[in-house]
Amino acid sequence: AQTVTQSQPEMSVQEAETVTLSCTYDTSESNYYLFWYKQPPSRQMILVIRQEAYKQQNATENRFSVNFQKAAKSFSLKISDSQLGDTAMYFCAFMNTGNEKLTFGTGTRLTIIP
Amino acid sequence: DTGVSQDPRHKITKRGQNVTFRCDPISEHNRLYWYRQTLGQGPEFLTYFQNEAQLEKSRLLSDRFSAERPKGSFSTLEIQRTEQGDSAMYLCASQGGGNQPQHFGDGTRLSIL
Repeated sequence: AQTVTQSQPEMSVQEAETVTLSCTYDTSESNYYLFWYKQPPSRQMILVIRQEAYKQQNATENRFSVNFQKAAKSFSLKISDSQLGDTAMYFCAFMNTGNEKLTFGTGTRLTIIP
Repeated sequence: DTGVSQDPRHKITKRGQNVTFRCDPISEHNRLYWYRQTLGQGPEFLTYFQNEAQLEKSRLLSDRFSAERPKGSFSTLEIQRTEQGDSAMYLCASQGGGNQPQHFGDGTRLSIL
């Protein structure tokens, strides 16, 4: 079974600064997907960024980028120029190719300080 | 694309009662998922449909839980004889197939008195 570990329950950072959220996972599979989802307070979960394991290039979406280290089974999220609207719970998630259920970590609560 | 819709947003009921939740996926999404999220935890997979077929059920889904997706459109999740431990947020997600990302609804928060 796959497991996803987020070792930072809470983080805070000043507005406009850069913050990195950590995620590690455990799997014996070679083909899979990794995701970061954002869940603002009392709002729905939305996809931030996705990484295919077979791609060596790290995914980037505007201010959000990942550092994917396949051998180390590490998948961190970097948020640049953080904004107040980035305040949310962030979940790292894993999905096997061909088995589409998501396995989530326990989340990191990120607070952006004005 | 109106997003994934869940109803009700919040349900309060007494222990032992039955409850039913509804999920309307994004139109034309053939895959539909149910997850449960307890306080301080990430969502946990419960079950998944491709069209009207229920393809996988987690061991978290006891025999008090049943899910349906008639005609491959909306889905319902019913919990019979609710227990305190059933208190959680129940999330629905839909997916357009292949390796497309899952889109989540706002969830139904269940509180057992």
